[in-house]
Amino acid sequence: SAVISQKPSRDICQRGTSLTIQCQVDSQVTMMFWYRQQPGQSLTLIATANQGSEATYESGFVIDKFPISRPNLTFSTLTVSNMSPEDSSIYLCSVETGGTTEAFFGQGTRLTVV
Amino acid sequence: GENVEQHPSTLSVQEGDSAVIKCTYSDSASNYFPWYKQELGKRPQLIIDIRSNVGEKKDQRIAVTLNKTAKHFSLHITETQPEDSAVYFCAASPNYGQNFVFGPGTRLSVLP
Repeated sequence: SAVISQKPSRDICQRGTSLTIQCQVDSQVTMMFWYRQQPGQSLTLIATANQGSEATYESGFVIDKFPISRPNLTFSTLTVSNMSPEDSSIYLCSVETGGTTEAFFGQGTRLTVV
Repeated sequence: GENVEQHPSTLSVQEGDSAVIKCTYSDSASNYFPWYKQELGKRPQLIIDIRSNVGEKKDQRIAVTLNKTAKHFSLHITETQPEDSAVYFCAASPNYGQNFVFGPGTRLSVLP
């Protein structure tokens, strides 16, 4: 299993500003994933973050809006840039541990943009 | 790309009854199908999963069936309890454990 710590747990931000969300894992993992869950909706994959390479973004998500860092095998950040109220959502990081197919999720960051 | 549909969107059952949630997927390359339970304000947690080389898997009151030909899989919960009330998400992945595409979710309410 994996224990994932995500910070902050929630934040209220002004439009036009940026927020960086941190994800720390208690073990080394090859791949980390960032998801968005809009209120009452399902989870949508934003990007896959690999250590030592550029993140891979899904259709509809771009690096300028959601820059991602992955400096080592236990940590990643997602920045939500130039925020608008439409970015209000829960953002979750997820990891897949080697040897198992299970994806573990962080507790999420509830972002409200005003 | 993969598209996952899920039905019903809401489901209410009496305690002790069974609940069935169905999902269909579009990409025949998908080979891993997990089910996640998300309680209000909490993170999604895996409750059961199935790989494409298996037709059925059971874990106590929970079972999942997979029909690869028809591209659908189902979650079965027997003897439901109030603590089973949550939103359930199915997902499909072409790379075990990676690049999940989630269904829209089913809100299950178990009435005492």
